[in-house]
Amino acid sequence: GAGVSQSPSNKVTEKGKDVELRCDPISGHTALYWYRQSLGQGLEFLIYFQGNSAPDKSGLPSDRFSAERTGGSVSTLTIQRTQQEDSAVYLCASSLVGSRGLPFTGELFFGEGSRLTVL
Amino acid sequence: QQQVKQSPQSLIVQKGGISIINCAYENTAFDYFPWYQQFPGKGPALLIAIRPDVSEKKEGRFTISFNKSAKQFSLHIMDSQPGDSATYFCAASMDSNYQLIWGAGTKLIIKP
Repeated sequence: GAGVSQSPSNKVTEKGKDVELRCDPISGHTALYWYRQSLGQGLEFLIYFQGNSAPDKSGLPSDRFSAERTGGSVSTLTIQRTQQEDSAVYLCASSLVGSRGLPFTGELFFGEGSRLTVL
Repeated sequence: QQQVKQSPQSLIVQKGGISIINCAYENTAFDYFPWYQQFPGKGPALLIAIRPDVSEKKEGRFTISFNKSAKQFSLHIMDSQPGDSATYFCAASMDSNYQLIWGAGTKLIIKP
């Protein structure tokens, strides 16, 4: 597709259940980011991928959160044993470059997000 | 050192007026300063960006003013329109670094 695609757009789950959120970045974009945005709040960095590796996982809130990326393309963010405080919009972004040694343009292309509600 | 401080948190401007959002940073190694615009239910999108070799960049009604000595940069929206109502985020980064440091965001409302 032309842009970053995220699914599902909305997910309602019960506390304690596991959820998977998917991100399909722009073709050819090697860098991929996950952010979390609580209602009316700013962007909280979760994890960064360069290709299939994740050199920066520093923003993952707990060990209930994990992410992977396969084939240098699709990424999945998994939240285990969801809690009510996990309710937020999870945004994925991709970028053409981002590896050390190459200029970083700063242009991230965001998807529309996956809104997660934990009851 | 890594923070970007954005103000105000919210802003109401009459149609046709000038909207001004300010950001300040500490890390002098930052060399790229983008502004993103986010509409409700959408992801942020790059609006305009500046590098510190210039003091101002203009694209249509949107202007970034950059003050390197004060370590501040601002977004000016001239002739503000109701369609400009959105949340605006400033950010900063360094070449050769993947990470964007984000401001907290400003919710802008343009009253008709």
